[in-house]
Amino acid sequence: QKEVEQNSGPLSVPEGAIASLNCTYSDRGSQSFFWYRQYSGKSPELIMFIYSNGDKEDGRFTAQLNKASQYVSLLIRDSQPSDSATYLCAVNPGGGADGLTFGKGTHLIIQP
Amino acid sequence: NAGVMQNPRHLVRRRGQEARLRCSPMKGHSHVYWYRQLPEEGLKFMVYLQKENIIDESGMPKERFSAEFPKEGPSILRIQQVVRGDSAAYFCASSPQDGVEQYFGPGTRLTVT
Repeated sequence: QKEVEQNSGPLSVPEGAIASLNCTYSDRGSQSFFWYRQYSGKSPELIMFIYSNGDKEDGRFTAQLNKASQYVSLLIRDSQPSDSATYLCAVNPGGGADGLTFGKGTHLIIQP
Repeated sequence: NAGVMQNPRHLVRRRGQEARLRCSPMKGHSHVYWYRQLPEEGLKFMVYLQKENIIDESGMPKERFSAEFPKEGPSILRIQQVVRGDSAAYFCASSPQDGVEQYFGPGTRLTVT
């Protein structure tokens, strides 16, 4: 069974610091990787996607992928209180099976 | 609004009734996905459709649930004879092609009384 694991938290980070969120996945053949942010009672919002090993930066966000270790991470620089949310890691297994497998999410709290 | 649209946003049904959830993908997107989020649980994939075709329904319960994406009009997720355990948030997502990012709609919150 394909699994995506995340630490549920809560992860508490002071405002202005770097928040580091981690995710591991079980299916070695997975092709693409996504980070979504979900506020309570709202729908998931795409934050970052990454398809190749290495780092990808977009504004305050950096996604890191290590396929050999089956590990994906999200760094949030200069954390703001508005970043407080649940962050969902999602994996696309590829090969035509396009339904994303989600982790249960990490609850991030940015302390003012 | 060029985003994914879902309606209704809230739906209340009595046990045994039918629920119909609608999803219009983003403009230019032809791939539609349905997910369910039960209270205090993660998002679970249900079904993946393209126009007039079900591509992958491996996450859909075998009974009472069906989905379609006709040539014209929105994708519909249909739940027959609803039970209390069907109460959840149902999200639709769309993408322009295989294997790329999916964008979510606002969801339909189904409550079965």
